[in-house]
Amino acid sequence: QSALTQPASVSGSPGQSITISCTGSNSDIGHYDYVSWYQQHPGEAPRFIIYDVNERPSGVSNRFSGSKSGNTASLTISGLQAEDEADYYCSSFTTTSTWVFGGGTKVTVL
Amino acid sequence: QVHLVQSGAEVKKPGSSVKVSCKPSGGAFNSYVFYWVRQAPGQGLEWMGGIMPIFGTGIYAQKFQGRVTVSADESTSTGYMELNSLTFEDTAVYYCARGKDGGSYYNPPDIWGQGTLVTVSS
Repeated sequence: QSALTQPASVSGSPGQSITISCTGSNSDIGHYDYVSWYQQHPGEAPRFIIYDVNERPSGVSNRFSGSKSGNTASLTISGLQAEDEADYYCSSFTTTSTWVFGGGTKVTVL
Repeated sequence: QVHLVQSGAEVKKPGSSVKVSCKPSGGAFNSYVFYWVRQAPGQGLEWMGGIMPIFGTGIYAQKFQGRVTVSADESTSTGYMELNSLTFEDTAVYYCARGKDGGSYYNPPDIWGQGTLVTVSS
């Protein structure tokens, strides 16, 4: 199972919106609505921020939203804040009943 | 809030094995899936495998098939990940994570442990 494809980096100014793409295949993103997103600050464990494409766990800011079209999922962060500077990873369930992660995207707040 | 507590850092020789443990601070152990994910220094997350304790057998990423064993001890409510035939490329932080909501592999990793650094060095 190949890793999902994410851009290496995305940047934006405070208050702006940014979108991170995550491209998979018909065997993962294109087959299931089981796409999740994680935020990871340096030296910390990942934090669960989106599941089932566009659902937010309790306590996650509504500035984070997810979507999917075909084999590509996306995470949008609106009203960008300094604390959003982190690495972001997408993940999808696959037709082999396993999970696969994307390579990660570093978000920089300018 | 449930926490996952993992065992401490390990230093291993190439060719040896390592076994990392993961114990939830609360919650029903058998009702959830437990996953293992690793992260090499400066690299991304890599899904290794998972287990539903109630069923006792794990599922694995193809890359690790035959080299990793995920297990669960219901009597102590502790999960384990054992990786064999270690090479330098296995140096990484190994995380356990509990699946959201319940016992299905459709449930993504939700609550994460603090991570266990495994260093492979001669």
